[in-house]
Amino acid sequence: GENVEQHPSTLSVQEGDSAVIKCTYSDSASNYFPWYKQELGKGPQLIIDIRSNVGEKKDQRIAVTLNKTAKHFSLHITETQPEDSAVYFCAASRYGGSQGNLIFGKGTKLSVKP
Amino acid sequence: GAGVSQSPSNKVTEKGKDVELRCDPISGHTALYWYRQSLGQGLEFLIYFQGNSAPDKSGLPSDRFSAERTGGSVSTLTIQRTQQEDSAVYLCASSAQTALGTEAFFGQGTRLTVV
Repeated sequence: GENVEQHPSTLSVQEGDSAVIKCTYSDSASNYFPWYKQELGKGPQLIIDIRSNVGEKKDQRIAVTLNKTAKHFSLHITETQPEDSAVYFCAASRYGGSQGNLIFGKGTKLSVKP
Repeated sequence: GAGVSQSPSNKVTEKGKDVELRCDPISGHTALYWYRQSLGQGLEFLIYFQGNSAPDKSGLPSDRFSAERTGGSVSTLTIQRTQQEDSAVYLCASSAQTALGTEAFFGQGTRLTVV
């Protein structure tokens, strides 16, 4: 089955700096890669996703890149703000037919210092 | 309802007792997922439903864990003879799965404490 590795497990940056979180996946048939943000005491919420027919996607201060050949994808947050502090999870899935399981990485705790 | 609803929000049970956790997905969502999150840990996959069938049960940690989904809607996760290591937050998510992949929406979770 799919296995998703995520690094780093913790990340501390100064407000205004950029943050990068990297993930690798094992199943070459995976074709959907979402990123979730989890704040304390809440369920994870989708912040951005990318499909395998796209190499990069951007939404304001957040961008995700995908390298299918190397089977890795990354989350980039620019101009970080204290409210970006949370745990971020990457995930991979193989959609279509009876497939569609969603496997998560172990998470990255991001701390943005004011 | 507007989102995924899980009940109860908190459950304290004695070791050896059985517990049932309930998930009401967003109406019309065909895919439903259960995850376990131990304190400060990641999202451990337990089981995935497509409609009423479970194509992937590979994450269930032992035969004490079972799940069912009826009518393509509500799902129940049952843990028999609970152990202290079962203490965790159990999260449910649903998605209107298409061939392209769509967002999975999470509930707030059920915090299970086995004493």
